[in-house]
Amino acid sequence: ETGVTQSPTHLIKTRGQQVTLRCSSQSGHNTVSWYQQALGQGPQFIFQYYREEENGRGNFPPRFSGLQFPNYSSELNVNALELDDSALYLCASSLGGADQETQYFGPGTRLLVL
Amino acid sequence: DQQVKQNSPSLSVQEGRISILNCDYTNSMFDYFLWYKKYPAEGPTFLISISSIKDKNEDGRFTVFLNKSAKHLSLHIVPSQPGDSAVYFCAARRGGGSNYKLTFGKGTLLTVNP
Repeated sequence: ETGVTQSPTHLIKTRGQQVTLRCSSQSGHNTVSWYQQALGQGPQFIFQYYREEENGRGNFPPRFSGLQFPNYSSELNVNALELDDSALYLCASSLGGADQETQYFGPGTRLLVL
Repeated sequence: DQQVKQNSPSLSVQEGRISILNCDYTNSMFDYFLWYKKYPAEGPTFLISISSIKDKNEDGRFTVFLNKSAKHLSLHIVPSQPGDSAVYFCAARRGGGSNYKLTFGKGTLLTVNP
């Protein structure tokens, strides 16, 4: 069984640029959630995708957007990067549904915005 | 407004002794609680969870206790081992609907000394 994978592992961008982060969910999982973890903080929920549809969103501006593909892999796109977007971005997959409470995380992508 | 709080940023324990990590929450709509362990440069790893209808769940050396009236949960690790040294995150899931996002605390750094 393949776990959650993310790419790239590290990324450096400059303010105003755009970035795309990628996630492959664990085999059989149809739900992907994205989290942002700033230094010294716990992960903060960005949004969730279930069967290719956005299924809930946290307190993040519209320049954070996403996609989920038919194979349940996912992308997180951030436009007009700001310095405060520097963080670890985590993807988590799960089976979805009321009884599937456990989300399994990938290793994350560390983004630095200069 | 922090709905999940881990008030101890760090905890140091001797190998073989018990580690007790605490977590408080404010939202009575949370229906599931999870503990994750995180090593540097890795994503959070699921440890153990508990439903809000239970007060205890045990898995090997790890036991989670839930006190709903106090809105408090704790993770007990017995006996503690040096390999347990990591950041531990408490997370809560809000029930209802189809969006099962997790709300995390800021984490507690556990150091187990040989």
